[in-house]
Order: sequence, then C-alpha cells, then structure tokens
Amino acid sequence: KAGVTQTPRYLIKTRGQQVTLSCSPISGHRSVSWYQQTPGQGLQFLFEYFSETQRNKGNFPGRFSGRQFSNSRSEMNVSTLELGDSALYLCASSLVVGQETQYFGPGTRLLVL
Amino acid sequence: DAKTTQPNSMESNEEEPVHLPCNHSTISGTDYIHWYRQLPSQGPEYVIHGLTSNVNNRMASLAIAEDRKSSTLILHRATLRDAAVYYCILRSSQYSGGGADGLTFGKGTHLIIQP
Repeated sequence: KAGVTQTPRYLIKTRGQQVTLSCSPISGHRSVSWYQQTPGQGLQFLFEYFSETQRNKGNFPGRFSGRQFSNSRSEMNVSTLELGDSALYLCASSLVVGQETQYFGPGTRLLVL
Repeated sequence: DAKTTQPNSMESNEEEPVHLPCNHSTISGTDYIHWYRQLPSQGPEYVIHGLTSNVNNRMASLAIAEDRKSSTLILHRATLRDAAVYYCILRSSQYSGGGADGLTFGKGTHLIIQP
C-alpha cells in the first residue's frame, strides 16, 4: 500500500505570496492532519480534517487554512507569506476517527525569501 | 495533552540495547503513551504505544512503570539506521467531537549510534 504522499517536495516563495501544499493520504484513511516543523519551535500541530470538515486546529494565525476533498486528499494554504513561515510542512493520515496512529508523509520544505 | 520529559540526547554503540526514558508524571488514566521517531530528512514514524502493560512489536519494546509516571522505549539491538530523534507523546483515548487530536511533540531525544 502506498504511503502518504506530499507535493511539491520543495518550494521557494517570496514574502507576500501565497502557497498551496497538497497531501494524499494512505488509501482508506479518512483523517488528515498537518504539522509545521521549524528548528526553533519543533513540530507543531496545524489542523486536522475528517470527512471534509476541520475537526481540530492548533494555535496558528488565520493565514493558515486547509481543506479536504471527498476522496480524503487535503490541501493547505498559507497566504501573505512571511519569512517565519519557512519550514517543513508535514501531513499525516489516520484510518478512522479517533485512530491513534498517524502515518506521516515526507513533507514539503518551504523557503520564503 | 499532558507533558513529557526526555533527555536531549543519548549515545549508544551499534548492536547494543538502547533504553530511552520518558517521564510523564501528570499522565491521566486515559492517556496512552506513544513513541514516534524521526530519521534525518524524513517525516516522523510510529514506533509503538501502550496504556498500562508492557508492549512488544517488531521495532521495539515499551516498558511502562507500574504507576505509569514513566516509561522506557527499548531498542534491543541498535543499528545505525536507528539514529533518529525519538519522541514520547501522551494521547488521550477520549476524543471530543470526532477527529484526531493533534500530536503534541516535545523536543525528543536525539539518539546517536556509534559504529
């Protein structure tokens, strides 16, 4: 079974631009979570989607948003990029609601110049 | 989620057992103890989890103290491929409103394996 895939793997943007990252969960997984990883703050939870609805959200500004499609694929969007948004963005999928194990993708490395 | 405390780094030799400690003195009765690891340039990877009893799987063993205030991840025979950051995470078995609560990662333990 294919793992979690994320596209693109690397991205360079400039301040003020917006970016959309994509995540395809493991087949049959319906929950998708997003995380941001930076050297200073470590791994932080952004939000989680299940059945096309955002169920949980971490402590991030409204510039960070996401959505989930009927096939469970998910996208996250960051508008008005800031230098501090440079990070590794990780997507994780889970089988069902309340499933404890999350399976992570390789991440998208975003550099904001 | 309750807080966990882990050593910043540990070093071990290849082919020797490794014991990675985690303290979680404020753990609640419904909290599971999870371990994930992150190899260089990869996303985190699930290792093992447990509630009260010790657990074994093909990757590792999890030893949980009787009072559940601490646990130890045991790699029985470390290889160079086990060099990674290991995260001990508590997750409540009670989910409110559906959906999976986000994992709360601390700084983890950076495991160094010497050949």
